Amino acid sequence: NAGVTQTPKFQVLKTGQSMTLQCAQDMNHEYMSWYRQDPGMGLRLIHYSVGAGITDQGEVPNGYNVSRSTTEDFPLRLLSAAPSQTSVYFCASSYSFGTGGNTIYFGEGSWLTVV
Amino acid sequence: KNQVEQSPQSLIILEGKNCTLQCNYTVSPFSNLRWYKQDTGRGPVSLTIMTFSENTKSNGRYTATLDADTKQSSLHITASQLSDSASYICVVCRGRNTGFQKLVFGTGTRLLVSP
Repeated sequence: NAGVTQTPKFQVLKTGQSMTLQCAQDMNHEYMSWYRQDPGMGLRLIHYSVGAGITDQGEVPNGYNVSRSTTEDFPLRLLSAAPSQTSVYFCASSYSFGTGGNTIYFGEGSWLTVV
Repeated sequence: KNQVEQSPQSLIILEGKNCTLQCNYTVSPFSNLRWYKQDTGRGPVSLTIMTFSENTKSNGRYTATLDADTKQSSLHITASQLSDSASYICVVCRGRNTGFQKLVFGTGTRLLVSP
């Protein structure tokens, strides 16, 4: 059971380049999401998905695209990288976010530097 | 404004000693409160989850408390070990019974356990 797997672990991009951060989970979770973690700030939600074919924007969606064609995968695309997108990105998944409090599992992170 | 504030920002304790980390929140509507441990260079790992009706939850040497009236939570670590050195993040889940619920993250307390 791999949990939430993110690739790549590290990436350096030039301004204007595009790339995709991959996220896969093997727990059959309906909910998946992407966060970014910047120094001195809490994690912030970029995009999320409540199931295959359904995505929505979080609080910092500009410059990022997502799609969810399968339950397992939720890639994050940077359309035209900017230095402001230098950050650590985390993918997360869970069965649901109900008041019962299901565990939210995070991947190990992807460190992205845009120069 | 939905916010989660943690104190102290950083803490150094001797191995074997106990410590308590604080979390104050102004998040509405409240669904549940979570504590996560994040090792350097790794993703957050869930420690405890507490709903509105729970005021204590333990996970081994970790004990979390919740006072929903004062909107405060604490994480107590007993008999600290070197492996406890990490950032501890308080997260409040905002929302009701259904649908994707947004997480509000604190900036974390960085704990260093010294031999």
